[in-house]
Amino acid sequence: NAGVMQNPRHLVRRRGQEARLRCSPMKGHSHVYWYRQLPEEGLKFMVYLQKENIIDESGMPKERFSAEFPKEGPSILRIQQVVRGDSAAYFCASSRGGDGPGELFFGEGSRLTVL
Amino acid sequence: SQQGEEDPQALSIQEGENATMNCSYKTSINNLQWYRQNSGRGLVHLILIRSNEREKHSGRLRVTLDTSKKSSSLLITASRAADTASYFCATVIYGNNRLAFGKGNQVVVIP
Repeated sequence: NAGVMQNPRHLVRRRGQEARLRCSPMKGHSHVYWYRQLPEEGLKFMVYLQKENIIDESGMPKERFSAEFPKEGPSILRIQQVVRGDSAAYFCASSRGGDGPGELFFGEGSRLTVL
Repeated sequence: SQQGEEDPQALSIQEGENATMNCSYKTSINNLQWYRQNSGRGLVHLILIRSNEREKHSGRLRVTLDTSKKSSSLLITASRAADTASYFCATVIYGNNRLAFGKGNQVVVIP
């Protein structure tokens, strides 16, 4: 029973390029969360999705960032025209859903470095 | 948005000692959760305590919740070197979809 799978684990981009981070939730989970973590800090909520729906994107920057969770395939977090401040670890978590977020299962993260 | 705030931020203890971390929050919650993160890894769920619960145990972990003081504590008993990690509390507000994390406690257990 595979856990939450994220790829790539490490990604290097130059300023202005695009970054695409992928997340496959645990089997049976239909709820996906994306968080960003800066060094020595906690996780900042970005977006919460269910299959084909964005439920809460209040933590996502209004520009350059987008997320999707299609009917088939992984959830994608897309960052366009990356800047140095986007360098961070991006974590995906999944849950079965139900009555509010219970236990979340996290992936190992994707570490983005913007040169 | 509301976040848990852990205290202390960094803790260094000898193997076998107990480690206690505290977390405070600002508004009414549905549940509070503790997670562990080893360096360079993802977060691992440790324990969830609901707003109508006061204490919960899981192995060497003991979590308390005081909703009147809006605070929680995590106790790790008989610590081991493998307990070296960062520990985060996270809260879920009623009617909210997200888990809001604090900045974390770094715990170092010296063998």
